[in-house]
Amino acid sequence: GIQVEQSPPDLILQEGANSTLRCNFSDSVNNLQWFHQNPWGQLINLFYIPSGTKQNGRLSATTVATERYSLLYISSSQTTDSGVYFCRDPAQGGSEKLVFGKGTKLTVNP
Amino acid sequence: ETGVTQSPTHLIKTRGQQVTLRCSSQSGHNTVSWYQQALGQGPQFIFQYYREEENGRGNFPPRFSGLQFPNYSSELNVNALELDDSALYLCASSLVPLGDYGYTFGSGTRLTVV
Repeated sequence: GIQVEQSPPDLILQEGANSTLRCNFSDSVNNLQWFHQNPWGQLINLFYIPSGTKQNGRLSATTVATERYSLLYISSSQTTDSGVYFCRDPAQGGSEKLVFGKGTKLTVNP
Repeated sequence: ETGVTQSPTHLIKTRGQQVTLRCSSQSGHNTVSWYQQALGQGPQFIFQYYREEENGRGNFPPRFSGLQFPNYSSELNVNALELDDSALYLCASSLVPLGDYGYTFGSGTRLTVV
């Protein structure tokens, strides 16, 4: 099945810093989505980005489907950005299984 | 537009017991998926239902079963609970084919098996 690698596994920032999170896939990307899981467990949609670039406030994401990766940019980080960031893409073959990476744990210190 | 709601939010069960977790899909969505997330890990896919039929299953034993109802709400049932079943259980709804927003997750049910 499709494999997902996320990097870095852990990231510690000072408030105001910028960061880039990366997601690599072993197979072609079709329906890539980025999530933020807050410390209370809630998974929040950030972007649904099969290809191209999208921006939402301080966050933006770019997916290069032909090269099987996606990047999530966080600018001017805030303490509320802390949590775990996951990317995922449904497995191929129509079963629509959501395959998650292991996530990047982000800690933003004041 | 309502989101995905799960109940209960927390639950404590004894090893060997059975548990039912519930999920109400986002309005307009016709597909629901369930995930198990152990502490410090990413969510693991359990199964997915589309139009009341299971149409995908992860690597979970048969004691994990589910239902999807005509109103697209769903249940996850786990029989013969084991200590390792302690986890956050998440459901997600979506519209097939996928729209711009992909999957929407609920807040989860945190199950503790003692």
